[in-house]
Amino acid sequence: EDKVVQSPLSLVVHEGDTVTLNCSYEVTNFRSLLWYKQEKKAPTFLFMLTSSGIEKKSGRLSSILDKKELFSILNITATQTGDSAVYLCPFYNQGGKLIFGQGTELSVKP
Amino acid sequence: DGGITQSPKYLFRKEGQNVTLSCEQNLNHDAMYWYRQDPGQGLRLIYYSQIVNDFQKGDIAEGYSVSREKKESFPLTVTSAQKNPTAFYLCASSIGGRGRAFFGQGTRLTVV
Repeated sequence: EDKVVQSPLSLVVHEGDTVTLNCSYEVTNFRSLLWYKQEKKAPTFLFMLTSSGIEKKSGRLSSILDKKELFSILNITATQTGDSAVYLCPFYNQGGKLIFGQGTELSVKP
Repeated sequence: DGGITQSPKYLFRKEGQNVTLSCEQNLNHDAMYWYRQDPGQGLRLIYYSQIVNDFQKGDIAEGYSVSREKKESFPLTVTSAQKNPTAFYLCASSIGGRGRAFFGQGTRLTVV
């Protein structure tokens, strides 16, 4: 069964810290993955990654995919309280099914 | 504006009643998805559709039904067979089941 395991499940940091969120995939035929931020409503799109080793960057957030090891990380530098949210890293399998894991709940304290 | 619209935003249902949640998109996306989210949990796939008149069960399809008669529309019916329907429901769409997925604003269903 195709699935994604996110770690840690929850994380508490202080403003200014750097955090790394992890996603590990078990999938037969991997297509692409997405990163989303969710704050008690619909998820907000962050990145889409399809190629291995190419970093996507947007401000303080960056993400990279290792397609061989089926692993992706999301880095957030200089965290702010507004970064507090659940972060999701779903992926598409070859059948076009978009599969989510449990998410990582990030809490940034002032 | 192109986008994906879910309605209603809040819905109350009495036990034993069926209820239908609406999801409409004008993005010309082929693929559409329905997810359920419970407090503190990730999104669980109920049904998805890659093409008109075809759909597949997700991980938690029991007690739910869908139809895909038009490309733009993918309504979800929560039947009385769903034992614990109170949850937040999200609809999404994407191009060919591979690109960025766009989400509706969600429907919060409460059984009273």
